[in-house]
Amino acid sequence: DAGVIQSPRHEVTEMGQEVTLRCKPISGHDYLFWYRQTMMRGLELLIYFNNNVPIDDSGMPEDRFSAKMPNASFSTLKIQPSEPRDSAVYFCASTYPWLLRNTIYFGEGSWLTVV
Amino acid sequence: QKEVEQDPGPLSVPEGAIVSLNCTYSNSAFQYFMWYRQYSRKGPELLMYTYSSGNKEDGRFTAQVDKSSKYISLFIRDSQPSDSATYLCAMSAGTYKYIFGTGTRLKVLA
Repeated sequence: DAGVIQSPRHEVTEMGQEVTLRCKPISGHDYLFWYRQTMMRGLELLIYFNNNVPIDDSGMPEDRFSAKMPNASFSTLKIQPSEPRDSAVYFCASTYPWLLRNTIYFGEGSWLTVV
Repeated sequence: QKEVEQDPGPLSVPEGAIVSLNCTYSNSAFQYFMWYRQYSRKGPELLMYTYSSGNKEDGRFTAQVDKSSKYISLFIRDSQPSDSATYLCAMSAGTYKYIFGTGTRLKVLA
């Protein structure tokens, strides 16, 4: 299995620009998560989907952030307009309910720098 | 106050030492407790999982949960340089809304 695939791995953008991060979950997984990791705040859940439907978006910091899951194999996290404080590593993760030990599988992350 | 507190370290130990990593939490509804390991520039991977209180052992790793004190621990015996990573605790009240600690950076010196 290829694991959770994220793109781009690295992005440097200027303040005010739109950023789109992409994720392909593991085939067969019907839960998808977007996390943000910073030194100060650690790993924070932004939003998660079940069967392509957003279940909890209470972690989305503000209206500049939006996430979509148009089908079972693709999701996007968009930031518009981007700000320097959005600089972080964004992780996508996936799972399905009958996995032992509640394991969720993380991608390798998208490293975002907003200058 | 954060729901989950974890000392960021870094923690440096010699090879072969016993390592103790800890987290405290404030939400008494947490029932599922996990430890994730994160190597540099990689995503976290599940290391240990415990439901409710008690101990769980897996090879050189032991996870302990003390719900009365709202305190969880991960012990690593006979630590190896390959154990050098950031260790994150995570907790859940039964949903997929996991709350993570900020992580403790561990370095095992050869």
